[in-house]
Amino acid sequence: DTGVSQNPRHKITKRGQNVTFRCDPISEHNRLYWYRQTLGQGPEFLTYFQNEAQLEKSRLLSDRFSAERPKGSFSTLEIQRTEQGDSAMYLCASSSTTGGLYEQYFGPGTRLTVT
Amino acid sequence: TQLLEQSPQFLSIQEGENLTVYCNSSSVFSSLQWYRQEPGEGPVLLVTVVTGGEVKKLKRLTFQFGDARKDSSLHITAAQTGDTGLYLCAGVGRRTYNTDKLIFGTGTRLQVFP
Repeated sequence: DTGVSQNPRHKITKRGQNVTFRCDPISEHNRLYWYRQTLGQGPEFLTYFQNEAQLEKSRLLSDRFSAERPKGSFSTLEIQRTEQGDSAMYLCASSSTTGGLYEQYFGPGTRLTVT
Repeated sequence: TQLLEQSPQFLSIQEGENLTVYCNSSSVFSSLQWYRQEPGEGPVLLVTVVTGGEVKKLKRLTFQFGDARKDSSLHITAAQTGDTGLYLCAGVGRRTYNTDKLIFGTGTRLQVFP
């Protein structure tokens, strides 16, 4: 039973550095979502893909953020020139469009700390 | 603008007590999901409610979706220490907002003491 996996689980970086996170969704799921969660808050939507197409991006996703899902399987989220305000938990979720419920299943997250 | 408000924000109770968490909005959602999240981990899906007035039970947890699909509640009977965690409601506003993203509530942090 393989759920959503994310790597790395933790990342500490210095301000100004670039970081990249990876998400592997549940294998039969065609949709993949990225969310960001700061301490004490619920997750906030960043972007989502259906297969390899990026269907929606939040205004939270500044020009420094880019997400890809090149073959419709795993996805990467890159943050360029990190800032302290980027420190957060980055969560990936996947869902299937068959069945109609579109239930989203989350990975364990990548905790980013920008020093 | 926070579209989903949860109450209470914090709840500290003893084992065996009952509790209810509320999730309210002025917006209509096509479905609503409840998650539980433990520190340092991702949210775990508990249930999805779709139909107005729907009630679903998961052992000691009872979930209800409001008739107008704008609000929901989670009731826990005889809480156990294992119920400790952050409870999040999340709505899908497919028809209202033309999107399948989840809109999360503010969260309720539950602590159950032995």
